[in-house]
Amino acid sequence: GIQVEQSPPDLILQEGANSTLRCNFSDSVNNLQWFHQNPWGQLINLFYIPSGTKQNGRLSATTVATERYSLLYISSSQTTDSGVYFCAAPNSGYSTLTFGKGTMLLVSP
Amino acid sequence: EPEVTQTPSHQVTQMGQEVILRCVPISNHLYFYWYRQILGQKVEFLVSFYNNEISEKSEIFDDQFSVERPDGSNFTLKIRSTKLEDSAMYFCASSRDETQYFGPGTRLLVL
Repeated sequence: GIQVEQSPPDLILQEGANSTLRCNFSDSVNNLQWFHQNPWGQLINLFYIPSGTKQNGRLSATTVATERYSLLYISSSQTTDSGVYFCAAPNSGYSTLTFGKGTMLLVSP
Repeated sequence: EPEVTQTPSHQVTQMGQEVILRCVPISNHLYFYWYRQILGQKVEFLVSFYNNEISEKSEIFDDQFSVERPDGSNFTLKIRSTKLEDSAMYFCASSRDETQYFGPGTRLLVL
C-alpha cells in the first residue's frame, strides 16, 4: 500500500511565526487530505487537495501530485494552532486513507 | 454544515466485556469507515463499508470486531471481548466521494 511520510515530526513556534509542514507519498494519488487533531483528540478536516493550491484564512496547502508531495502553510501562527497535523492519502479511489505519523506543533505565546 | 456524530464520547470497560460504538454518518453519504488511534500513534484504518457490506478490512479487524448498519442512519462497531490493547480513540468517517469526514471520536479505555 501507499506510504505517507511527514516532516518535521515536531515543531515549536513563537506566536506570529510562519511554518511549512511537508507530506511525501509513495504513489500517485487522486486525493490528499490534511487534518488538525486538537488537544481533545478531534480530527478536523483542513483541506482536500489532490493537486494545486487552496487557501483558508491563515492556512494554505499545495499539492504537487507529479512529485508526490504536499505542503501545509501556517501563517501568523496562534496558540490555538497547536496540535498534531496529519496528512492522509488513499490506497486507491474511494479507498481507505493511510495516515502519516503527523507533525506535532506547539505554538507558544 | 452536516457532521458525523459519535456516541459515547468516552467509554470505560472491563477486559472481556463487549462494547458497541455508535456513529451517525452524514445523511447522503454512501461509504462508511472505522479507524482507530492508539494514544500517541498514527490513525489506522480498521474497516470500510459500502452497500451494506464490508468492502475492505485491515489486519487489525479480526473476528472480535464486527460492523453493522442496523437502520438508515446508524453505523456501529462492536468489539466482542475487549482486550487491554483495544484501548484507543475510535473514529468513524463517511464519504460521498473522495473526501472523508471524520467524527469526533470515542475514547475507549479497557481496564
